[in-house]
Amino acid sequence: NAGVTQTPKFQVLKTGQSMTLQCAQDMNHNSMYWYRQDPGMGLRLIYYSASEGTTDKGEVPNGYNVSRLNKREFSLRLESAAPSQTSVYFCASKQGAGELFFGEGSRLTVL
Amino acid sequence: AQSVTQLGSHVSVSEGALVLLRCNYSSSVPPYLFWYVQYPNQGLQLLLKYTSAATLVKGINGFEAEFKKSETSFHLTKPSAHMSDAAEYFCAVRKTGANNLFFGTGTRLTVIP
Repeated sequence: NAGVTQTPKFQVLKTGQSMTLQCAQDMNHNSMYWYRQDPGMGLRLIYYSASEGTTDKGEVPNGYNVSRLNKREFSLRLESAAPSQTSVYFCASKQGAGELFFGEGSRLTVL
Repeated sequence: AQSVTQLGSHVSVSEGALVLLRCNYSSSVPPYLFWYVQYPNQGLQLLLKYTSAATLVKGINGFEAEFKKSETSFHLTKPSAHMSDAAEYFCAVRKTGANNLFFGTGTRLTVIP
């Protein structure tokens, strides 16, 4: 089982460039999430989608946009990357009150 | 607001020694509490969760955690550390009826041979 798949795994951008992180889950989960992980700060929620067709801001949404393309896919877009967005990004999904399943992460460096 | 505090960003134990990782939560009502583990270059995996069914929760790999309302704590323990336990551990909280988890800052566990 693939679970939660994120692409790309690594990306280097220059300040001002744009990019989209892709996430897909094959577990038929309703809810999907994007987190960023920074040293000493744990995981912070960027955006989430409780169900297909809905998205909501998390703790740190500034500089990001999301699209819930269908039930399987939830993408995260950086329109104009900044060095402060250098981080490891994790996509996760869950069904109802069940546990969160995480992808393996996407490591982004903004120069 | 929901939050968790993990005391100690780094913990070192000898192989075979007790593992104790601390987590305190702030909440006006008993929340759902979780411990996740992250091995190097991987995503997070659920170790165990508290959902009010029992105060002592057993998880995978010999870990357990006890919910103590009077202390607002949910500390993670393992009687005997193994080298394979070296990882980063995150405590997380979710309020009843809410969709989001809030994570602590993590504790990196080092196991010394």
